[in-house]
Amino acid sequence: DTGVSQNPRHKITKRGQNVTFRCDPISEHNRLYWYRQTLGQGPEFLTYFQNEAQLEKSRLLSDRFSAERPKGSFSTLEIQRTEQGDSAMYLCASSFHNSPLHFGNGTRLTVT
Amino acid sequence: TQLLEQSPQFLSIQEGENLTVYCNSSSVFSSLQWYRQEPGEGPVLLVTVVTGGEVKKLKRLTFQFGDARKDSSLHITAAQPGDTGLYLCAGIKAAGNKLTFGGGTRVLVKP
Repeated sequence: DTGVSQNPRHKITKRGQNVTFRCDPISEHNRLYWYRQTLGQGPEFLTYFQNEAQLEKSRLLSDRFSAERPKGSFSTLEIQRTEQGDSAMYLCASSFHNSPLHFGNGTRLTVT
Repeated sequence: TQLLEQSPQFLSIQEGENLTVYCNSSSVFSSLQWYRQEPGEGPVLLVTVVTGGEVKKLKRLTFQFGDARKDSSLHITAAQPGDTGLYLCAGIKAAGNKLTFGGGTRVLVKP
């Protein structure tokens, strides 16, 4: 069990640039979740997939955010035209149906 | 605003003392989970409570789910420096497996 893997671990970008993060879930897990966590706060739900289908998106996920899971395995989260308010830790988690979620160690984004 | 309110937000105690963290909501959850998160890492699941009134023990940690399944508490007995971390509660509604997190309680146990 290699756990949930997220890349990169850290990303520093200038305002207005696009960024893409990748999440590799635990191999047999069919569900994949994205959360965002700002400093001193709990994680906030962004979106989740069951296999390749995106089943729910939070209102936090503006038009500049898009997530994909094309083959039901790894997922990408893209943020276009980044803003300073996008600075946060982006956490990915996976589960097998309703089993407990396993979280990755996140990608910390800093927008300057 | 958080659907789940945790209190206190920050707790600093000496090694050997006891502490309690609270997680409250006006909503009913089918189950509630507690996580601990270290800096630079993702949350790690400690326990899941499902039944109203349920009490679970994990070594020096005691977790309780309120009778109405709206609130929970985490009690640590004889805290140790290794208990330092961010403690998060998270609720699951009846449908799906989506977690709604509280704002977290940062615990610092000084040696």
